[in-house]
Amino acid sequence: GAGVSQSPSNKVTEKGKDVELRCDPISGHTALYWYRQSLGQGLEFLIYFQGNSAPDKSGLPSDRFSAERTGGSVSTLTIQRTQQEDSAVYLCASSRGPALGYTFGSGTRLTVV
Amino acid sequence: GIQVEQSPPDLILQEGANSTLRCNFSDSVNNLQWFHQNPWGQLINLFYIPSGTKQNGRLSATTVATERYSLLYISSSQTTDSGVYFCAVGSNQAGTALIFGKGTTLSVSS
Repeated sequence: GAGVSQSPSNKVTEKGKDVELRCDPISGHTALYWYRQSLGQGLEFLIYFQGNSAPDKSGLPSDRFSAERTGGSVSTLTIQRTQQEDSAVYLCASSRGPALGYTFGSGTRLTVV
Repeated sequence: GIQVEQSPPDLILQEGANSTLRCNFSDSVNNLQWFHQNPWGQLINLFYIPSGTKQNGRLSATTVATERYSLLYISSSQTTDSGVYFCAVGSNQAGTALIFGKGTTLSVSS
């Protein structure tokens, strides 16, 4: 597509439930990144996919967080047993390759009540 | 890991004024980008500038990689320039994602 698409744009969930966030990168972009931005804060790196290489999961805050990227395209970020501190905007970006310019999606605003 | 410091944290300008935002980083980089986050939260890539100088309209950026800093210049500021400006860097270690600074919040009033 023309841009990075994320869905849903907003998600309200109850504490303890699982959620799935979706990212559809720009066609042909081999690199895909997930970041999290809490209210008034900077961007926190979560996970990075590059082609068929093993993902860099070094930013995932706990084992409740996981992500996959199917067929080198769409990615899903899953948060299990959500907690209130998981409330944030989850941003996805893609780039043509590593160390190249990023294009961000509009994000998913997650609220855990 | 690599550290990114941005200054100033906040900046208030009158429309028409010029400004300089600074980004210092603690290690060699192979990737440096400047982003603008508008009041609706959308992040827009302004520059991909691991070294050298680039200009795009009223905005320009310079990165001096050997001295580990980058500058973003905004000339003749407009109210639409308001928002948060982030600097983000990637180290020379292969395959790393960008690390973001805490940002500079710019408010331009008419």
